[in-house]
Amino acid sequence: AQSVTQPDIHITVSEGASLELRCNYSYGATPYLFWYVQSPGQGLQLLLKYFSGDTLVQGIKGFEAEFKRSQSSFNLRKPSVHWSDAAEYFCAVGAMGTGGFKTIFGAGTRLFVKA
Amino acid sequence: DSGVTQTPKHLITATGQRVTLRCSPRSGDLSVYWYQQSLDQGLQFLIQYYNGEERAKGNILERFSAQQFPDLHSELNLSSLELGDSALYFCASSTPNNYGYTFGSGTRLTVV
Repeated sequence: AQSVTQPDIHITVSEGASLELRCNYSYGATPYLFWYVQSPGQGLQLLLKYFSGDTLVQGIKGFEAEFKRSQSSFNLRKPSVHWSDAAEYFCAVGAMGTGGFKTIFGAGTRLFVKA
Repeated sequence: DSGVTQTPKHLITATGQRVTLRCSPRSGDLSVYWYQQSLDQGLQFLIQYYNGEERAKGNILERFSAQQFPDLHSELNLSSLELGDSALYFCASSTPNNYGYTFGSGTRLTVV
């Protein structure tokens, strides 16, 4: 069964600084990997996804993520954070099983942005 | 607007009661997923439907049930409600072979 770990419960960065959110997964084969963002009072929005191919994936809102098989990681990055990026970020891993496609979400990392 | 519609947005009810949450998926999406989000449990997968049929079950209690109708909208029924059922309930949808989900804005259930 797949699992996903987000080691950081919360992170604070200054506006304009770079950001990296960590995500580690556990799965026997190459998984489907996702990052979602949740603003307060909202549902989750898909930022980017990785299925195969280029290990550096570009997403919406200026985010990117890099798949590193050797480290079982899929970290999310942004070169310059804006105050509007303050939200909760969820890494997710999906895999096809006997019951169809299942997606497991990490516990989330809450991002605080200070002026 | 994500295209996934959930109603109601808020629901307050008493213990022991039964409620129904409704979800209309994004146009063209055949799969519907239900998730429960709480502070202590995080985002927990409950159940998935694909084109009217149950496809996968997660941590769904026996007091909870769901169905997907021919027009693809889905309902999640929660019965014999307990205080611990208070949470945000999200519906998400996806198209075949596109495994990224589109989420609705959720239903906040408060059991008093």
